[in-house]
Amino acid sequence: GAVVSQHPSWVICKSGTSVKIECRSLDFQATTMFWYRQFPKQSLMLMATSNEGSKATYEQGVEKDKFLINHASLTLSTLTVTSAHPEDSSFYICSARVGTSGSSYEQYFGPGTRLTVT
Amino acid sequence: AQKVTQAQTEISVVEKEDVTLDCVYETRDTTYYLFWYKQPPSGELVFLIRRNSFDEQNEISGRYSWNFQKSTSSFNFTITASQVVDSAVYFCALSEHYGGSQGNLIFGKGTKLSVKP
Repeated sequence: GAVVSQHPSWVICKSGTSVKIECRSLDFQATTMFWYRQFPKQSLMLMATSNEGSKATYEQGVEKDKFLINHASLTLSTLTVTSAHPEDSSFYICSARVGTSGSSYEQYFGPGTRLTVT
Repeated sequence: AQKVTQAQTEISVVEKEDVTLDCVYETRDTTYYLFWYKQPPSGELVFLIRRNSFDEQNEISGRYSWNFQKSTSSFNFTITASQVVDSAVYFCALSEHYGGSQGNLIFGKGTKLSVKP
């Protein structure tokens, strides 16, 4: 159980285009989903937190107009990188969490999406 | 402020050696969770362990063991008799519940472990 999928697993796009990445919880309902970004040989940095049906909360320094997050249902969150540039090339990882407190702070990670902007 | 420090950037060992990966954390909360994840070259994060702040018992799972010491704010990870398949980047992470935090994970910078045959 507790499987999170991401689609696509990798994508190459041209500078200036937009890319949508999907994150799905396959066998559970996720009240909260997180989006992380990982540059090569670096750690994971939280970009934003999204709750189903409400606006995402972005971390300081993350442009909300560039990284659009939609958490339309309890099993799907999407991250759209708008007008992508080469510096947006990175590994994007989502995680999904069920529950809101105590022992339910378990996060399940997706396999990641490698974005390359040429 | 919450912070996770993994001072070892890279470690290289020979197969069958024991290796300990260090993790030191900072948090202002009394209730928090500590994690270790493994990230092989494929990139997918593999969950290894989760420990809450009230449980200081050390844990052993096969060749893996964890030493949690609140007095030194450390949560170290030891691999006994390392194998080539253990080669990966290992991340220590902290999740706290403070002032409405939704429990997002704060990751250390990771330790790259290379196990040579």
